[in-house]
Amino acid sequence: QVQLQESGPGLVTPAQTMSLTCTVSGDSISSGGSYWSWIRQHPGKGLEWIGYIHNSGRTYFNPSLKSRISISADTSKNQFSLNLNSVTAADTAVYYCARVIDGLAAVGRWGQGTLVTVFS
Amino acid sequence: QSALTQPPSASGSPGQSVTISCTGTSNDIGHSNFVSWYQQHPGKAPKFMLYEVTKRPSGVPDRFSGSKSGNTASLTVSGLQAEDEADYYCCSYAGGNTLVFGGGTKLTVL
Repeated sequence: QVQLQESGPGLVTPAQTMSLTCTVSGDSISSGGSYWSWIRQHPGKGLEWIGYIHNSGRTYFNPSLKSRISISADTSKNQFSLNLNSVTAADTAVYYCARVIDGLAAVGRWGQGTLVTVFS
Repeated sequence: QSALTQPPSASGSPGQSVTISCTGTSNDIGHSNFVSWYQQHPGKAPKFMLYEVTKRPSGVPDRFSGSKSGNTASLTVSGLQAEDEADYYCCSYAGGNTLVFGGGTKLTVL
């Protein structure tokens, strides 16, 4: 079954760009039926949907973050990535990559999450 | 796009039933049946529990059930067990290929 694993720096400097990668196994990100998503959770807080990339390559973002984020996919590596620019301490969170089931708008599979701290 | 509203906490004794509400607007919960629920134990990733308001993925006990009325969805946990103690999050399709989550409810089994 599909597994997702986040990777990237755990510490990012304010005003810089944060980059995370999700490696998918057990399924192809280019096959139909899925949106490959990023979701974050601030310390002690709730979940926040960041955005996702469809297997068609189209991307969709949370309106509150849209101006600072991009999501891309590397089908040759079966990976998708998140770039979040101009980070501040408010971007400190656990970042999850996940698979959203096309047609159900439900997050069917989650990565284990990775903590990113914005700290100078 | 505002977060869906959930009560911060809920509780019940073993064997009892507890219901957690999730209130949105006519732009999200009230607009479609794409409401899902997730269970999260401390330090763990969320687990997929319900989708399309009432449907359970394979492996989720039938003690977990869902419903929706207007702009409010609900999760009911029947026959509470100690392992049900966790945070629960609702999620809804919010139009324009976007999703919105609730703020989460901490369920305590007394």
